[in-house]
Amino acid sequence: LAKTTQPISMDSYEGQEVNITCSHNNIATNDYITWYQQFPSQGPRFIIQGYKTKVTNEVASLFIPADRKSSTLSLPRVSLSDTAVYYCLVGHDRGSTLGRLYFGRGTQLTVWP
Amino acid sequence: DGGITQSPKYLFRKEGQNVTLSCEQNLNHDAMYWYRQDPGQGLRLIYYSQIVNDFQKGDIAEGYSVSREKKESFPLTVTSAQKNPTAFYLCASSIGRGHEETQYFGPGTRLLVL
Repeated sequence: LAKTTQPISMDSYEGQEVNITCSHNNIATNDYITWYQQFPSQGPRFIIQGYKTKVTNEVASLFIPADRKSSTLSLPRVSLSDTAVYYCLVGHDRGSTLGRLYFGRGTQLTVWP
Repeated sequence: DGGITQSPKYLFRKEGQNVTLSCEQNLNHDAMYWYRQDPGQGLRLIYYSQIVNDFQKGDIAEGYSVSREKKESFPLTVTSAQKNPTAFYLCASSIGRGHEETQYFGPGTRLLVL
């Protein structure tokens, strides 16, 4: 299964754009890239998912280069409420139809006033 | 209002005691999961179930047991064999049909040992 590497922590100020990059060198052909957000003492929440190029929704954008060995989550104009842990997930249980996910330690984003 | 519920929010266990954590979903999802999260760590998979009456061990199944008698319910029992049960437990569900699917998480149960 593709292992991901992302920074342990990042700091930003309100109103700035934040980009969190995730490396996944062993990504397989049929793997998707998914990002989750988790606040303290809450369950993770789905943010965005993509396969290639760029995906955008009302919360974030996801940039995936052609080789798919990395991806970047972009959060526009962050606010204090965006302070959370962000997880990058890649891969599934090969040989199974189940979308099994593997969570690393994630990136702790802290937004300052 | 669709979603996943977990109860209780906090649970205390005495030494040698088995405790059961509840997880219910009304999303009509086939697949359900149990994760454990320790402070400052990511989520680790305990058990998962793709369909009623079937479940599989995850990465850290020792000391835990589950059942899947109904589609909407997937209770987790933390047995006395689990020597370090203090953690945040998260239940999730998904449609269960492919690797691009999204998992939806409950609010979690925090288990503490007395």
